[in-house]
Amino acid sequence: GENVEQHPSTLSVQEGDSAVIKCTYSDSASNYFPWYKQELGKRPQLIIDIRSNVGEKKDQRIAVTLNKTAKHFSLHITETQPEDSAVYFCAAPGLAGGSYIPTFGRGTSLIVHP
Amino acid sequence: NAGVTQTPKFQVLKTGQSMTLQCAQDMNHEYMSWYRQDPGMGLRLIHYSVGAGITDQGEVPNGYNVSRSTTEDFPLRLLSAAPSQTSVYFCASSDGSIYNEQFFGPGTRLTVL
Repeated sequence: GENVEQHPSTLSVQEGDSAVIKCTYSDSASNYFPWYKQELGKRPQLIIDIRSNVGEKKDQRIAVTLNKTAKHFSLHITETQPEDSAVYFCAAPGLAGGSYIPTFGRGTSLIVHP
Repeated sequence: NAGVTQTPKFQVLKTGQSMTLQCAQDMNHEYMSWYRQDPGMGLRLIHYSVGAGITDQGEVPNGYNVSRSTTEDFPLRLLSAAPSQTSVYFCASSDGSIYNEQFFGPGTRLTVL
């Protein structure tokens, strides 16, 4: 099955700085990589995703990059704001029983200090 | 659409008690799953279902049972609660395709004394 590793587990930045979270995956056949954000006490929600046919995708202050050769992908947040403080999860799909079952990383707690 | 709903939001059990966590979705999704979230451990898959009548085990299935009699509902049963099952439980659903967004319920915070 798919194995996803996520680093760092905790990331502390000053408001306005950039933040980068990295994930590696094991299954070279994986071709869809979503990122979820979980605010304190809330449910995880998809914030951005990337398919394997592109190397980078941007949405305002967030971007995701993918290196299929090295089997890693990263979430980049620029001009961080206090409301970016949350736990971020990466995921990669694994095929099981004909359906795609996502494997999640262990999460990164991002703290943005005002 | 209500999306994915879970009940109850909070629950306290004594060791050995049984209970069922309810999960329902109104998006006609074939794929549903249960995760538990513990500090530093991320989201760990307990059980999943790829359609009505089909269920399978995830990473941490021991102590939990599931069934899927309808597309909409996917209850999680704790047969004999243990303190190690103290956690936050999330139900999720998706259309099961590879480019699938997981839609999570609001979660159930369970404490086993």
